[in-house]
Amino acid sequence: EAQVTQNPRYLITVTGKKLTVTCSQNMNHEYMSWYRQDPGLGLRQIYYSMNVEVTDKGDVPEGYKVSRKEKRNFPLILESPSPNQTSLYFCASSLTGYSNQPQHFGDGTRLSIL
Amino acid sequence: TQLLEQSPQFLSIQEGENLTVYCNSSSVFSSLQWYRQEPGEGPVLLVTVVTGGEVKKLKRLTFQFGDARKDSSLHITAAQPGDTGLYLCAGGGADGLTFGKGTHLIIQP
Repeated sequence: EAQVTQNPRYLITVTGKKLTVTCSQNMNHEYMSWYRQDPGLGLRQIYYSMNVEVTDKGDVPEGYKVSRKEKRNFPLILESPSPNQTSLYFCASSLTGYSNQPQHFGDGTRLSIL
Repeated sequence: TQLLEQSPQFLSIQEGENLTVYCNSSSVFSSLQWYRQEPGEGPVLLVTVVTGGEVKKLKRLTFQFGDARKDSSLHITAAQPGDTGLYLCAGGGADGLTFGKGTHLIIQP
């Protein structure tokens, strides 16, 4: 089954404790991205990757890092999480980076930073 | 940055009624996508429209892209409780994909 898999689905942690949210897709997609979704603010893009070893900042990249060492994986790293990073996070992939391509989303990771 | 305004923000109607939600911008988009998101899940693509004036139908859902490619509408006929969800529009352009904040739709039995 074609899918985007995120882990963990839920995480409660404390300020400053490094964490990684993994994302994996099995569709051989070139383009992958991370979004955060907050009430009243909608979906905002954090980082995206056009292909392996190619990453770029989205609209809200501060406090986040990403890497794309393999085509299928695109982990999101919070080196020193803060409470303002409490949010619902989505990983998405598409065949290419063209904006008319459908985005395939994971089921989300709900992060709470205390 | 291109902005997409969705209206209404919230809508609660009875089963069987018709409704229209809107997605507007002052910018021109090369394409417009509509997604539906249910609680605990990620958004799922419903349709992509790419030509000004284009109309696409998906069962009881009708999507229209404005002639000038700055706006779009989603019309639902005879709404069902299964239509409940968050509806997101997303415009495609040189800056990539820009999402609206969504319309929360509740269809009451």
